[in-house]
Amino acid sequence: AQSVAQPEDQVNVAEGNPLTVKCTYSVSGNPYLFWYVQYPNRGLQFLLKYITGDNLVKGSYGFEAEFNKSQTSFHLKKPSALVSDSALYFCAVRGTGDYKLSFGAGTTVTVRA
Amino acid sequence: NAGVTQTPKFQVLKTGQSMTLQCAQDMNHNSMYWYRQDPGMGLRLIYYSASEGTTDKGEVPNGYNVSRLNKREFSLRLESAAPSQTSVYFCASSEAGTSGGNRETQYFGPGTRLLVL
Repeated sequence: AQSVAQPEDQVNVAEGNPLTVKCTYSVSGNPYLFWYVQYPNRGLQFLLKYITGDNLVKGSYGFEAEFNKSQTSFHLKKPSALVSDSALYFCAVRGTGDYKLSFGAGTTVTVRA
Repeated sequence: NAGVTQTPKFQVLKTGQSMTLQCAQDMNHNSMYWYRQDPGMGLRLIYYSASEGTTDKGEVPNGYNVSRLNKREFSLRLESAAPSQTSVYFCASSEAGTSGGNRETQYFGPGTRLLVL
């Protein structure tokens, strides 16, 4: 069975500071890993994904994530957070050859001015 | 290019009533999905359709049925709504199911908020 853990329900940072949202996963075989962001009363927006290749993945809005196979982690990072980054962030994983995308419970990010 | 659209945006039902949630995508995607989102539980897959003409159960299919009407449309039906089905429902689509990683990204609709009294 595949699963995703986002250990922090909430992350609070000051604008301009680095932002990190943690994600660990469990899956059979090679993982496909995704980050999505959800703004209030909106659907999920795709941020970035890791399929294969370079462990550091760059995505939309200045976000990046690092795939660490030994630690089974895929943490989301942004060097300098903006107030507009305040939202709910979801990590998701899928195993090779599987249709099912498993989501973490989500992490609420609040960036204060 | 509207992406993934869902109707209605909001619905209130009484226990036992039925309704159909509609979803359409204009990206020529092969695979479509229905999820429900509940606080603290992330998104859970209800049903999916890997390609036109096929549907399969996901993680929480009980109480739901689906129809892949054509390549564009994938509907979710609640035959007899229960309060436990109060949730936000999201439809998503992707170019492919499992055939290639770069075609796997799922794109989501804006959601339908359902309240069952």
